[in-house]
Amino acid sequence: GDSVTQMEGPVTLSEEAFLTINCTYTATGYPSLFWYVQYPGEGLQLLLKATKADDKGSNKGFEATYRKETTSFHLEKGSVQVSDSAVYFCALSSNDYKLSFGAGTTVTVRA
Amino acid sequence: SAVISQKPSRDICQRGTSLTIQCQVDSQVTMMFWYRQQPGQSLTLIATANQGSEATYESGFVIDKFPISRPNLTFSTLTVSNMSPEDSSIYLCSTRAGLDTGELFFGEGSRLTVL
Repeated sequence: GDSVTQMEGPVTLSEEAFLTINCTYTATGYPSLFWYVQYPGEGLQLLLKATKADDKGSNKGFEATYRKETTSFHLEKGSVQVSDSAVYFCALSSNDYKLSFGAGTTVTVRA
Repeated sequence: SAVISQKPSRDICQRGTSLTIQCQVDSQVTMMFWYRQQPGQSLTLIATANQGSEATYESGFVIDKFPISRPNLTFSTLTVSNMSPEDSSIYLCSTRAGLDTGELFFGEGSRLTVL
């Protein structure tokens, strides 16, 4: 079945550091890939998405590229801020449109 | 986009009791989903709720434990029955962003603590 493997956290960074969260997936067919973010005390919200190979999703300075050859969708941001402290979830949906989530990565950015 | 409101936002419950969580969407939607997020864990789909039909439960979840209602296209409820401490979780309501996408909108969640 479909599955998502995500880099384990927690991750602690200083402001302006570079952030990478690795995400790989296993799926049948051609899944869509997502990154969701959960800020402290808030619900999940979509951060970015990519629906086909080589697509790059981007939002709020974050980027992720759909790599079919490596079945990956790594999240990156070049210069993090304290406000980026959150839990990040990689997810995929296949033909039935059900979402499968990774375990989540807690990121803490210190001033 | 869809705005999803859940009630209660949090509650503390006694073992053996049941609690119903309400989910209201600001627009008519075909499918609503209920997820569970156990402490420190990822999200697990409990069931899919379609208006006018029985909910479809995922493996490991049963109707007797998590009865769901879907009386109209904007509202759903999830009941957590005969609760035990293992049911302490955040329960999230969600709906799809479109007919042909897996992208979801989520409510803020209902955090239940069972003593």
